[in-house]
Amino acid sequence: NAGVTQTPKFRVLKTGQSMTLLCAQDMNHEYMYWYRQDPGMGLRLIHYSVGEGTTAKGEVPDGYNVSRLKKQNFLLGLESAAPSQTSVYFCASSYSAQGYQPQHFGDGTRLSIL
Amino acid sequence: AQSVTQLDSHVSVSEGTPVLLRCNYSSSYSPSLFWYVQHPNKGLQLLLKYTSAATLVKGINGFEAEFKKSETSFHLTKPSAHMSDAAEYFCVVSQAGTALIFGKGTTLSVSS
Repeated sequence: NAGVTQTPKFRVLKTGQSMTLLCAQDMNHEYMYWYRQDPGMGLRLIHYSVGEGTTAKGEVPDGYNVSRLKKQNFLLGLESAAPSQTSVYFCASSYSAQGYQPQHFGDGTRLSIL
Repeated sequence: AQSVTQLDSHVSVSEGTPVLLRCNYSSSYSPSLFWYVQHPNKGLQLLLKYTSAATLVKGINGFEAEFKKSETSFHLTKPSAHMSDAAEYFCVVSQAGTALIFGKGTTLSVSS
């Protein structure tokens, strides 16, 4: 049972570089989410998707872009990385947006921007 | 607007003693409430969820939580702590059609 898989697990970038984080889920979930986790802040929603071909902004979307070309994949892009984007990034998915549906999380990508 | 407050950023217990992690929430409507656990360098794992059925909810690994509407609380408890319970715990509130709102987390330390 793979669940939600994130690649890469670790990455170090220089300021101004770009990169893409990949999230893949094998549960046929419609909804997918990208969060960032910073010490003492809990998780904050960056972007989310309610289905293939759709994306929407969350609480902290600036500096990030996303795409959902296939139902099982949700990509998070940093066009010009900044030190403030040093964080742990989590992808999650859920069957629906019904409040009682839990979200399933990947193991995270630890990103450092120098 | 929804919000969730975890009242303790760090809780320390001895192995075999009870665990209490406190969470208060604010929500305009009947919320769904969750507790997630995060072990070091891992993602978040669902411990339990409340969805307006029984107010006492049992989860995995011996954890349970009680929904108290009058106190707007959803505290997490376990009768006897194990070393393996050391982790970070997040209280989460959700309403239909909206994103999850996370508390800032409580780090649980368990000493032998």
